[in-house]
Amino acid sequence: EKVMTQSPATLSVSPGARATLSCRASQTVSSNLAWYQQKPGHVPRLLIYGASTRATGIPARFSGGGSGTEFTLTISSLQSEDSAIYYCQQYNDWPPEFGQGTKVEIK
Amino acid sequence: EVQLVQSGAELKKPGESLKISCEASGYTFTNYWVGWVRQMPGKGLEWMGIIHPGDSDTRYSPSFQGQVTISADRSTSTAYLQWDSLEASDTAMYYCARPSSRAHCSSSSCYNVFFDSWGQGTLVTVSS
Repeated sequence: EKVMTQSPATLSVSPGARATLSCRASQTVSSNLAWYQQKPGHVPRLLIYGASTRATGIPARFSGGGSGTEFTLTISSLQSEDSAIYYCQQYNDWPPEFGQGTKVEIK
Repeated sequence: EVQLVQSGAELKKPGESLKISCEASGYTFTNYWVGWVRQMPGKGLEWMGIIHPGDSDTRYSPSFQGQVTISADRSTSTAYLQWDSLEASDTAMYYCARPSSRAHCSSSSCYNVFFDSWGQGTLVTVSS
């Protein structure tokens, strides 16, 4: 099984600033990586798939990048409603695996 | 509109059995896989397994193989997750979720299993 490691565990960012989250795979997953957002008490929501394709209805301030073993999720101008935990998930190999999550806090 | 509506919260005792449900609507149930994801209190997401209601092909994460049973009823467009004997460590929120239309499985693996639609979650509490 592939191990997905996210960093940092917690990210504190001022409103309007850029937030960059990292996800590393223990072995290559090509571009088969998704990002999800989960707000407290809410259901996870798909943000990005294929490492860089935004899901339907996701604002343009969310962007994904990377391939192979190193990936990033960037929130270009952080809004208060972006406070959440963000998970990456590889789906290149069986079984799919989630990272442990990065909590984004608003300063 | 795709909707996945899950059954309500459950409070059970260790050793009891349980079956929770996920009713799908807004799409052809037999054309898409349906999966289950566990989230223990204060913890992250864990992928459990998926089923294709069209032919009942079921795949489990090694961590959950033998611990739970996933099934589906085509006549009611409902997927199920069941336990024969619950333990306190099964206390968690359980989500059903539908992978994208590109999800598919061969005999040895599955591909494009990322989830674009989610149920609201079912909280399962196991306590004596």
